[in-house]
This record gives sequence, structure tokens and C-alpha cells, in this order.
Amino acid sequence: GESVGLHLPTLSVQEGDNSIINCAYSNSASDYFIWYKQESGKGPQFIIDIRSNMDKRQGQRVTVLLNKTVKHLSLQIAATQPGDSAVYFCGVKDSWGKLQFGAGTQVVVTP
Amino acid sequence: DAGITQSPRHKVTETGTPVTLRCHQTENHRYMYWYRQDPGHGLRLIHYSYGVKDTDKGEVSDGYSVSRSKTEDFLLTLESATSSQTSVYFCAISPSLGLESYEQYFGPGTRLTVT
Repeated sequence: GESVGLHLPTLSVQEGDNSIINCAYSNSASDYFIWYKQESGKGPQFIIDIRSNMDKRQGQRVTVLLNKTVKHLSLQIAATQPGDSAVYFCGVKDSWGKLQFGAGTQVVVTP
Repeated sequence: DAGITQSPRHKVTETGTPVTLRCHQTENHRYMYWYRQDPGHGLRLIHYSYGVKDTDKGEVSDGYSVSRSKTEDFLLTLESATSSQTSVYFCAISPSLGLESYEQYFGPGTRLTVT
């Protein structure tokens, strides 16, 4: 079946540095990708999405990069702040139009 | 949380008892979803609805049923709760599965413990 995976369960980042969170997917036909942020005890919050006709999309302090050749996407957070501490996970649209989610990377921001 | 509420927010129940979780939205979105979230797993789809009285199974639907009698309410029922159903349950909504976005908006979650 289709799968979505993240490379690291935990990422420790110093405040002010850039964070990079990675995600791999298996279905080469996937054409829509999304990133969520989930703070402890809360529901996931939309960060940014990208369609397969783009390689890069930027938001406020975040950039998503899509490499369809190797079926990989990444979320970059610029100048990481304590408020960025959370679990981040990607979602990939599957063949039936539903989102398949990765397990998530816990980002820990240290002073 | 984009006009989505879930009730109850926390529940402890005993094995074998029925449990119903409620999701209520004020966005008038067509699509509604129930997910469970467990350590080491991504969100896994239990059931979803694409309109009033229109529902379908997700990847982990065994032991769960749903109903949607109104646009704003989507109920998830565990007919006879088991310990393996201890989890955090999230409801999500989406306006469409159209060309623009498949973005889903999530509720705050319900933490269910089956003893």
C-alpha cells in the first residue's frame, strides 16, 4: 500500500537556527502534499501545502520543498523560535483522494 | 480550531461498553473525517463522510461505526469498546476535494481510555 514516512522522530534545534523536517512518500502519482503542526494537547494546525506542479512554496518563515524524482518533501522553518516547538507531520494525497499522514517529527527548540 | 468542537474531550470507559464521540462544525463543510492518533503512527482514518447520510470506511474502521444525520454533526460510535481502542480521536472537516486544496481542519481531539 501507499506509505508516508518521516526520517527523524525528534529534531533538536537551537533558537535562531533553521529547522529542516523531512518526509518521504511511496506513491509517485501523488499530486498534493501538506504540512501540519501539532502542539501538545491540541489538534493539528495547517502550515502550508504544495501541489506537484511546484517544487517550492514559501509561507511566513516556512518553505516547503518537493522533490518528485526521489519522492521526498521537506519543511524548512527559518529562525526557529520557542513557539515552534511541536510535532510536525506531512500528509500526502493518496489514490483515493484522501490524505495519508506520516508519524511526525518532534521539534525541540533549545535556548 | 476552525469552528470544530469535539465532545467529550476526555473519557474513561470500561471494556465492553458502548461509547459515542461527537464532532460538531459551524463551517458548513461537506466533508468530515474521524481519525485516531497513536504513538509511532500517523493519523489513521477511521471513517469519513461526504454528505448527510453518506459515509464510507477508512483504513482502520473495524469496531467503529459512524452516523451523519445533519451537516454539522458527525458521530463516531464504538459499539463495544476494547483496550486497543484507547487513543486520541480527532475529527476533521474539509470544504471539498476539489482542484484547489485538500486541506483539512482539525478539532481539538478526544482522549479515550478503555480500561
